[in-house]
Amino acid sequence: GNSVTQMEGPVTLSEEAFLTINCTYTATGYPSLFWYVQYPGEGLQLLLKATKADDKGSNKGFEATYRKETTSFHLEKGSVQVSDSAVYFCALDDRDDKIIFGKGTRLHILP
Amino acid sequence: DTAVSQTPKYLVTQMGNDKSIKCEQNLGHDTMYWYKQDSKKFLKIMFSYNNKELIINETVPNRFSPKSPDKAHLNLHINSLELGDSAVYFCASRAAGTGSYEQYFGPGTRLTVT
Repeated sequence: GNSVTQMEGPVTLSEEAFLTINCTYTATGYPSLFWYVQYPGEGLQLLLKATKADDKGSNKGFEATYRKETTSFHLEKGSVQVSDSAVYFCALDDRDDKIIFGKGTRLHILP
Repeated sequence: DTAVSQTPKYLVTQMGNDKSIKCEQNLGHDTMYWYKQDSKKFLKIMFSYNNKELIINETVPNRFSPKSPDKAHLNLHINSLELGDSAVYFCASRAAGTGSYEQYFGPGTRLTVT
């Protein structure tokens, strides 16, 4: 079945560091891919998405590119801020009315 | 306006009790979901309804029963609560059909069973 694998956390970085959170997927066909973010005490919210190969999703300085050849959708940000501390979920559209979520990566940014 | 709302936000109860969590969405979406998030932040889908019809029913104890009075509401009733039911429960909604439609999540209900 379809699945999403993302790097385990927690990831701890200093402010202004470069961030990469790896995500790979297994799917038949061409799923849409998402990154969701969950800030402390809140629900998940969509951060960015990509719907086809080579698409780049971007939002709030975060970017991810849909790489079909490597089945990856890594999340990157050039300079993180303390306010980026949250849990990040990679996900894919299972095309069966269901979104498959990865296990989440907790990110801590130190001032 | 809150797109997806849940009540209550916090629920503390004793083992063996029966409780309900309510969810409402004002986005006009046809599909609604319930997820359980454990202490390690792992999200597990429990149920999905499309236009009041149950379409996803993952392996969940039958003490959990969803009810959808209309397509804007999906409530979760839990009978005979157990310690292991302690978690954060999220409701979500999504536009109908497949494709790039993201899910919109509620703020969560933190259930603590003592």
